[in-house]
Amino acid sequence: NAGVTQTPKFQVLKTGQSMTLQCAQDMNHEYMSWYRQDPGMGLRLIHYSVGAGITDQGEVPNGYNVSRSTTEDFPLRLLSAAPSQTSVYFCASSSRTGGGKKLFFGSGTQLSVL
Amino acid sequence: DQQVKQNSPSLSVQEGRISILNCDYTNSMFDYFLWYKKYPAEGPTFLISISSIKDKNEDGRFTVFLNKSAKHLSLHIVPSQPGDSAVYFCAASPYNNNDMRFGAGTRLTVKP
Repeated sequence: NAGVTQTPKFQVLKTGQSMTLQCAQDMNHEYMSWYRQDPGMGLRLIHYSVGAGITDQGEVPNGYNVSRSTTEDFPLRLLSAAPSQTSVYFCASSSRTGGGKKLFFGSGTQLSVL
Repeated sequence: DQQVKQNSPSLSVQEGRISILNCDYTNSMFDYFLWYKKYPAEGPTFLISISSIKDKNEDGRFTVFLNKSAKHLSLHIVPSQPGDSAVYFCAASPYNNNDMRFGAGTRLTVKP
């Protein structure tokens, strides 16, 4: 059972480049989300989706785009990478929406922007 | 504006002893509180949760205590084992909101 799969695991970008972080889950979860983890800041919510065709912004959405065309996939797009986007990115899903839901996380993507 | 705070970046305990990890929050709208454990190079995994209608929830060696008046919760691990060495994140969310806020994490080291 794969759970939540993120690709790539590591990525180095130059300032101004664009790229897409991939996230797929095979648990038929309605809720999917993207977090970034920075030292001393914990995990901060970037964008989330409560179902196919529905997305919303989290705490730190600027510089990122998302779309949800299928239940399984929730890609995160960096439009023009900046050094401030150097971070570890986690995708998470849940069978529930609303408060208190148990999140299932992928193993993360470590992104460096030079 | 960190609404969930874990003020101890690290904690070291001896195997067999109790580990107590603390978490404070500022948003009185939070109704659910969760603890996640994270090993290096892996994503966080859910450990235990508690809703605001309770003050204690227990699951095996793990117990979470909630003090709503103090806006404080704690995770107790008894007895601590070397395999418990990880980073522990506290998280909180309101009842009807998808915005889950995390603390900065506490690195627990359990020494044999």
